[in-house]
Amino acid sequence: GESVGLHLPTLSVQEGDNSIINCAYSNSASDYFIWYKQESGKGPQFIIDIRSNMDKRQGQRVTVLLNKTVKHLSLQIAATQPGDSAVYFCAENIGGTGGFKTIFGAGTRLFVKA
Amino acid sequence: GAGVSQSPSNKVTEKGKDVELRCDPISGHTALYWYRQRLGQGLEFLIYFQGNSAPDKSGLPSDRFSAERTGESVSTLTIQRTQQEDSAVYLCASSNWYEQYFGPGTRLTVT
Repeated sequence: GESVGLHLPTLSVQEGDNSIINCAYSNSASDYFIWYKQESGKGPQFIIDIRSNMDKRQGQRVTVLLNKTVKHLSLQIAATQPGDSAVYFCAENIGGTGGFKTIFGAGTRLFVKA
Repeated sequence: GAGVSQSPSNKVTEKGKDVELRCDPISGHTALYWYRQRLGQGLEFLIYFQGNSAPDKSGLPSDRFSAERTGESVSTLTIQRTQQEDSAVYLCASSNWYEQYFGPGTRLTVT
Protein backbone atom coordinates (compact mmCIF):
# COMPACT_ATOMS: atom_id res chain seq x y z
CA GLY A 1 0.00 0.00 0.00
CA GLU A 2 1.07 3.56 -0.46
CA SER A 3 0.17 6.73 1.35
CA VAL A 4 1.18 10.28 0.66
CA GLY A 5 3.49 12.01 3.12
CA LEU A 6 1.13 14.78 4.16
CA HIS A 7 0.28 15.87 7.67
CA LEU A 8 -2.92 14.27 8.78
CA PRO A 9 -6.28 16.02 8.56
CA THR A 10 -7.91 16.38 11.96
CA LEU A 11 -11.45 15.93 13.21
CA SER A 12 -12.38 17.25 16.63
CA VAL A 13 -15.62 16.14 18.27
CA GLN A 14 -17.28 16.48 21.65
CA GLU A 15 -17.55 13.39 23.81
CA GLY A 16 -20.90 11.75 23.24
CA ASP A 17 -21.36 13.14 19.74
CA ASN A 18 -21.23 11.01 16.63
CA SER A 19 -18.10 11.10 14.45
CA ILE A 20 -17.91 10.65 10.71
CA ILE A 21 -14.56 10.02 9.07
CA ASN A 22 -14.43 10.05 5.30
CA CYS A 23 -12.15 8.41 2.79
CA ALA A 24 -11.93 8.57 -1.00
CA TYR A 25 -10.44 5.47 -2.57
CA SER A 26 -8.72 5.25 -5.90
CA ASN A 27 -9.38 1.97 -7.66
CA SER A 28 -12.80 0.92 -8.90
CA ALA A 29 -11.56 -2.70 -8.91
CA SER A 30 -11.00 -2.70 -5.15
CA ASP A 31 -13.13 -5.44 -3.69
CA TYR A 32 -12.58 -5.27 0.04
CA PHE A 33 -12.18 -2.35 2.41
CA ILE A 34 -10.91 -2.11 5.96
CA TRP A 35 -10.82 0.64 8.56
CA TYR A 36 -7.87 0.61 10.96
CA LYS A 37 -7.39 2.52 14.20
CA GLN A 38 -3.92 3.59 15.32
CA GLU A 39 -3.49 4.70 18.90
CA SER A 40 -0.45 6.68 19.96
CA GLY A 41 2.69 4.55 20.05
CA LYS A 42 1.04 1.49 18.55
CA GLY A 43 0.57 -0.10 15.17
CA PRO A 44 -2.78 0.16 13.35
CA GLN A 45 -5.47 -2.31 14.37
CA PHE A 46 -8.47 -3.65 12.47
CA ILE A 47 -11.82 -2.07 13.34
CA ILE A 48 -14.31 -3.12 10.68
CA ASP A 49 -14.40 -4.33 7.11
CA ILE A 50 -16.81 -4.31 4.19
CA ARG A 51 -16.93 -6.13 0.89
CA SER A 52 -17.62 -4.36 -2.36
CA ASN A 53 -20.98 -6.13 -2.76
CA MET A 54 -22.28 -4.37 0.36
CA ASP A 55 -23.03 -0.72 1.02
CA LYS A 56 -23.29 -0.78 4.79
CA ARG A 57 -21.96 -2.82 7.65
CA GLN A 58 -22.41 -2.29 11.35
CA GLY A 59 -20.28 -3.24 14.30
CA GLN A 60 -20.31 -2.23 17.91
CA ARG A 61 -20.71 1.56 17.86
CA VAL A 62 -19.15 1.70 14.38
CA THR A 63 -20.73 1.67 10.95
CA VAL A 64 -18.98 1.65 7.61
CA LEU A 65 -20.69 2.98 4.50
CA LEU A 66 -19.49 2.28 0.98
CA ASN A 67 -20.51 4.28 -2.08
CA LYS A 68 -18.95 2.64 -5.10
CA THR A 69 -20.43 5.15 -7.51
CA VAL A 70 -18.25 7.93 -6.17
CA LYS A 71 -15.57 5.67 -4.64
CA HIS A 72 -16.20 6.88 -1.14
CA LEU A 73 -15.97 5.15 2.20
CA SER A 74 -16.98 6.49 5.59
CA LEU A 75 -16.63 5.37 9.18
CA GLN A 76 -19.26 6.46 11.64
CA ILE A 77 -18.59 6.21 15.36
CA ALA A 78 -21.60 6.55 17.61
CA ALA A 79 -21.40 8.25 21.01
CA THR A 80 -17.71 9.03 20.62
CA GLN A 81 -15.59 8.40 23.71
CA PRO A 82 -12.15 9.69 24.75
CA GLY A 83 -10.77 6.22 24.00
CA ASP A 84 -11.70 6.72 20.37
CA SER A 85 -9.04 9.40 20.03
CA ALA A 86 -6.62 7.98 17.47
CA VAL A 87 -5.65 8.09 13.82
CA TYR A 88 -8.01 6.24 11.50
CA PHE A 89 -6.91 4.78 8.17
CA CYS A 90 -9.04 3.35 5.42
CA ALA A 91 -7.52 0.64 3.25
CA GLU A 92 -8.68 -0.57 -0.15
CA ASN A 93 -7.72 -4.05 -1.23
CA ILE A 94 -7.59 -5.80 -4.54
CA GLY A 95 -7.20 -9.58 -4.64
CA GLY A 96 -5.43 -11.40 -7.37
CA THR A 97 -3.37 -14.43 -8.21
CA GLY A 98 -0.22 -12.59 -7.17
CA GLY A 99 -1.53 -11.85 -3.73
CA PHE A 100 -3.28 -8.86 -2.28
CA LYS A 101 -2.63 -5.25 -3.13
CA THR A 102 -3.43 -2.85 -0.32
CA ILE A 103 -3.56 0.92 -0.55
CA PHE A 104 -3.88 2.91 2.64
CA GLY A 105 -5.56 6.28 2.77
CA ALA A 106 -3.73 9.25 4.23
CA GLY A 107 -5.40 8.90 7.64
CA THR A 108 -7.51 11.18 9.80
CA ARG A 109 -6.68 12.16 13.37
CA LEU A 110 -9.71 12.14 15.66
CA PHE A 111 -9.63 14.26 18.82
CA VAL A 112 -12.39 13.69 21.36
CA LYS A 113 -12.99 16.58 23.72
CA ALA A 114 -14.23 15.67 27.19
CA GLY B 1 -1.64 -16.26 20.32
CA ALA B 2 1.43 -14.12 19.79
CA GLY B 3 1.12 -11.12 17.53
CA VAL B 4 3.68 -9.48 15.29
CA SER B 5 6.80 -8.48 17.18
CA GLN B 6 9.50 -6.04 16.18
CA SER B 7 12.93 -5.31 17.56
CA PRO B 8 14.42 -3.13 18.73
CA SER B 9 11.54 -0.96 19.90
CA ASN B 10 13.80 2.09 19.76
CA LYS B 11 17.04 2.66 17.89
CA VAL B 12 19.23 5.74 18.00
CA THR B 13 22.05 5.79 15.50
CA GLU B 14 24.55 8.24 14.12
CA LYS B 15 24.25 9.53 10.59
CA GLY B 16 26.14 7.31 8.19
CA LYS B 17 25.79 4.10 10.23
CA ASP B 18 23.90 1.02 9.03
CA VAL B 19 20.90 -0.31 10.96
CA GLU B 20 18.95 -3.55 10.92
CA LEU B 21 15.36 -3.77 12.02
CA ARG B 22 13.73 -7.11 12.70
CA CYS B 23 10.17 -8.34 12.30
CA ASP B 24 8.74 -11.62 13.58
CA PRO B 25 5.39 -12.17 11.86
CA ILE B 26 2.48 -14.24 13.10
CA SER B 27 3.25 -17.89 12.53
CA GLY B 28 1.73 -19.17 9.30
CA HIS B 29 1.18 -15.78 7.73
CA THR B 30 2.41 -15.84 4.15
CA ALA B 31 2.47 -12.10 3.54
CA LEU B 32 4.73 -9.56 5.24
CA TYR B 33 4.82 -5.79 4.76
CA TRP B 34 7.14 -3.00 5.83
CA TYR B 35 5.92 0.59 6.19
CA ARG B 36 7.53 3.84 7.25
CA GLN B 37 5.61 6.39 9.27
CA ARG B 38 7.06 9.83 9.83
CA LEU B 39 5.85 11.83 12.80
CA GLY B 40 2.28 12.95 12.33
CA GLN B 41 1.99 11.37 8.91
CA GLY B 42 0.42 8.36 7.24
CA LEU B 43 1.78 4.97 6.27
CA GLU B 44 4.38 4.86 3.52
CA PHE B 45 4.61 1.44 1.88
CA LEU B 46 8.16 0.12 1.54
CA ILE B 47 8.16 -3.56 0.57
CA TYR B 48 5.86 -6.59 0.43
CA PHE B 49 6.74 -10.29 0.61
CA GLN B 50 4.21 -12.93 -0.43
CA GLY B 51 5.18 -16.55 0.01
CA ASN B 52 7.93 -17.56 -2.37
CA SER B 53 7.12 -14.87 -4.93
CA ALA B 54 9.59 -12.11 -5.75
CA PRO B 55 9.06 -9.27 -3.29
CA ASP B 56 7.37 -6.04 -4.35
CA LYS B 57 10.10 -3.48 -3.70
CA SER B 58 8.35 -0.60 -5.42
CA GLY B 59 8.13 1.49 -2.24
CA LEU B 60 11.77 1.44 -1.24
CA PRO B 61 12.89 5.09 -1.33
CA SER B 62 16.51 4.49 -2.31
CA ASP B 63 19.09 1.77 -2.79
CA ARG B 64 20.20 2.33 0.80
CA PHE B 65 17.09 0.38 1.83
CA SER B 66 16.83 -3.39 1.48
CA ALA B 67 14.88 -6.19 3.10
CA GLU B 68 15.14 -9.92 3.36
CA ARG B 69 12.72 -12.58 4.47
CA THR B 70 13.61 -16.15 5.35
CA GLY B 71 10.84 -18.37 4.00
CA GLU B 72 7.65 -17.38 5.74
CA SER B 73 9.30 -16.28 8.94
CA VAL B 74 11.53 -13.47 10.14
CA SER B 75 12.22 -10.40 8.03
CA THR B 76 15.00 -7.86 8.35
CA LEU B 77 14.91 -4.32 6.99
CA THR B 78 18.36 -2.84 6.50
CA ILE B 79 19.11 0.83 6.04
CA GLN B 80 22.65 1.61 4.99
CA ARG B 81 24.42 4.92 5.54
CA THR B 82 21.51 6.32 7.50
CA GLN B 83 20.44 9.92 6.99
CA GLN B 84 18.47 12.18 9.31
CA GLU B 85 15.52 11.97 6.91
CA ASP B 86 15.34 8.24 7.72
CA SER B 87 14.14 9.06 11.24
CA ALA B 88 10.66 7.55 11.55
CA VAL B 89 8.73 4.64 12.97
CA TYR B 90 9.13 1.51 10.87
CA LEU B 91 6.10 -0.75 11.03
CA CYS B 92 5.88 -4.37 10.00
CA ALA B 93 2.62 -6.21 9.30
CA SER B 94 1.77 -9.79 8.38
CA SER B 95 -1.34 -11.33 6.91
CA ASN B 96 -2.90 -14.39 5.37
CA TRP B 97 -5.66 -12.47 3.67
CA TYR B 98 -6.72 -8.87 3.41
CA GLU B 99 -6.47 -7.92 7.08
CA GLN B 100 -2.99 -6.90 8.13
CA TYR B 101 -1.75 -7.42 11.67
CA PHE B 102 0.73 -4.76 12.68
CA GLY B 103 3.61 -4.89 15.08
CA PRO B 104 4.32 -2.05 17.52
CA GLY B 105 7.02 -0.58 15.28
CA THR B 106 10.64 0.41 15.69
CA ARG B 107 11.29 4.08 16.32
CA LEU B 108 14.48 5.03 14.51
CA THR B 109 16.24 8.27 15.36
CA VAL B 110 19.24 9.33 13.28
CA THR B 111 21.38 11.96 14.98
